Amino acid sequence: DTEVTQTPKHLVMGMTNKKSLKCEQHMGHRAMYWYKQKAKKPPELMFVYSYEKLSINESVPSRFSPECPNSSLLNLHLHALQPEDSALYLCASSSNGAGPSSYEQYFGPGTRLTVT
Amino acid sequence: KQEVTQIPAALSVPEGENLVLNCSFTDSAIYNLQWFRQDPGKGLTSLLLIQSSQREQTSGRLNASLDKSSGRSTLYIAASQPGDSATYLCAVRQPGTYKYIFGTGTRLKVLA
Repeated sequence: DTEVTQTPKHLVMGMTNKKSLKCEQHMGHRAMYWYKQKAKKPPELMFVYSYEKLSINESVPSRFSPECPNSSLLNLHLHALQPEDSALYLCASSSNGAGPSSYEQYFGPGTRLTVT
Repeated sequence: KQEVTQIPAALSVPEGENLVLNCSFTDSAIYNLQWFRQDPGKGLTSLLLIQSSQREQTSGRLNASLDKSSGRSTLYIAASQPGDSATYLCAVRQPGTYKYIFGTGTRLKVLA
């Protein structure tokens, strides 16, 4: 099973709301990623967790707060977002061992976020 | 700073053609390179992964090659089909980091 799931598929929120995006994988991967993708642009890395510890934060504004409760789950907590934060948010995971498929990224279907 | 570009940005071909998509990167010190396809509004689907020690990978009608010294990778699609229409993205992983740098993408349309 090479599936990464994300919920919800669509989210509309006001600028004063608090919401969370969820991501789950059961491939035993120990690296998990959040990306943001605007229309007709490539994904931009936001955060990386390795062994449940934050490894990379690409200078993301504090209104985005990641959390990795365990090795299978990744959350992105959203608070006081701006309309320009509207985008497709993608979660990915990868192994970090040796072998021909090491560090191959698998992506979820994404959450389409609209901030009003 | 690693930069990844893909040429052409868009491509429209008749069904049945063999085609080549290009991915160029400025720093040859990469850990691996991965090719993806993305359908509109959807997530990315992994197509092929090439480790830095490898020269090529094949899966079905797809063949990806890697030339680190020249900073290039190509994705060859044989006998293209309308179902191949999508955006194709390459991404390189930097050594010693979980950071992946994505290319600008090639939007492919295969006409029936």
